[in-house]
Amino acid sequence: KNEVEQSPQNLTAQEGEFITINCSYSVGISALHWLQQHPGGGIVSLFMLSSGKKKHGRLIATINIQEKHSSLHITASHPRDSAVYICLVSGAGSYQLTFGKGTKLSVIP
Amino acid sequence: DADVTQTPRNRITKTGKRIMLECSQTKGHDRMYWYRQDPGLGLQLIYYSFDVKDINKGEISDGYSVSRQAQAKFSLSLESAIPNQTALYFCATSDSRAGYGYTFGSGTRLTVV
Repeated sequence: KNEVEQSPQNLTAQEGEFITINCSYSVGISALHWLQQHPGGGIVSLFMLSSGKKKHGRLIATINIQEKHSSLHITASHPRDSAVYICLVSGAGSYQLTFGKGTKLSVIP
Repeated sequence: DADVTQTPRNRITKTGKRIMLECSQTKGHDRMYWYRQDPGLGLQLIYYSFDVKDINKGEISDGYSVSRQAQAKFSLSLESAIPNQTALYFCATSDSRAGYGYTFGSGTRLTVV
């Protein structure tokens, strides 16, 4: 079974700070996803990665396949970034989907 | 209209009752999934379907059944609801041609009393 570990579990930041959320996994994957869950419960897919780096606005996601590690960065954080960020991996050669337990981010004005 | 619509949004039901959660999508995606979310446990896969004739159990399928009535519709049933099935349920879709990106529904909050 592919284990997915996220860190930190909880993160509080001041508005404007640079934020990093980490995700490590244990076996080969076909893709890694970062999801955002808002306080109301809705889930939005932010990124899908199989290598390298992707950027969308203030969000940057990177993945290191050799180290089995991905990071989600938020630049110039804002209170509206407050949400739970979830790492999801889809296993290589299988349809196994494994979720991390999420990182709860609170950005304080 | 939302790309992935779940109904109902909230439901309270009694132990032993049969309940169906419905999911419909306008994305044209071939793959559909049902997940449940419990506090502290993250999201867990209940069932998934890669096309209308393909249904697969996920990691926590016991006590649940599904029906893929059409490419756009995927229903989850609790045959005899029990309190530990109280959770937030999400439907999601993906397109096998587009690299596994997911679209989630808004969720159904189910409480079994």
